[in-house]
Amino acid sequence: DAGVTQSPTHLIKTRGQQVTLRCSPKSGHDTVSWYQQALGQGPQFIFQYYEEEERQRGNFPDRFSGHQFPNYSSELNVNALLLGDSALYLCASSADRGNTDTQYFGPGTRLTVL
Amino acid sequence: DQQVKQNSPSLSVQEGRISILNCDYTNSMFDYFLWYKKYPAEGPTFLISISSIKDKNEDGRFTVFLNKSAKHLSLHIVPSQPGDSAVYFCAARRNNQGGKLIFGQGTELSVKP
Repeated sequence: DAGVTQSPTHLIKTRGQQVTLRCSPKSGHDTVSWYQQALGQGPQFIFQYYEEEERQRGNFPDRFSGHQFPNYSSELNVNALLLGDSALYLCASSADRGNTDTQYFGPGTRLTVL
Repeated sequence: DQQVKQNSPSLSVQEGRISILNCDYTNSMFDYFLWYKKYPAEGPTFLISISSIKDKNEDGRFTVFLNKSAKHLSLHIVPSQPGDSAVYFCAARRNNQGGKLIFGQGTELSVKP
């Protein structure tokens, strides 16, 4: 049973460019959340997708957008990249069974903005 | 506004002894708490969780304690093993806020043989 997978593993972009990161959830999971982890910090919640809709959003600007597909996989898009967007981007999946569902994380995509 | 805090950036413990990792929170609306372990170049791995209706939850060598009046939780690892060396994050979720987890800054545990 494959866990959460993310692609690509690493990515280097320049300021002003746009990037798309991809995530496939764990089998049986229908909910995908995205987090940004800066160096030395804990992950910060970006948003969560369920039934192809953004269900909840953290304190991130509109440059961060996402999408969920019918097969529950998801994309995170970041426009007009800034140096401060350099971070590890983590995807987590869960099965929507109420407030105690546990999120399982993928290995992350390391984004470097030059 | 750091709602979940792990005030110890690092902890060093001898193999076989107990490791105690601490976490404090400020929001009394949090009702579900989780601990994750993270190795370099990997995503966080779920360890153990606890609901606010409990004060203790055990899973093998791992035990989480919750003190709601003090807004404090701790993770005990007994006995500690070198393979436990990793960064540990506590996370909290507020009731009726779906999947949004709020993480602490992490504590790096080093277990020495």
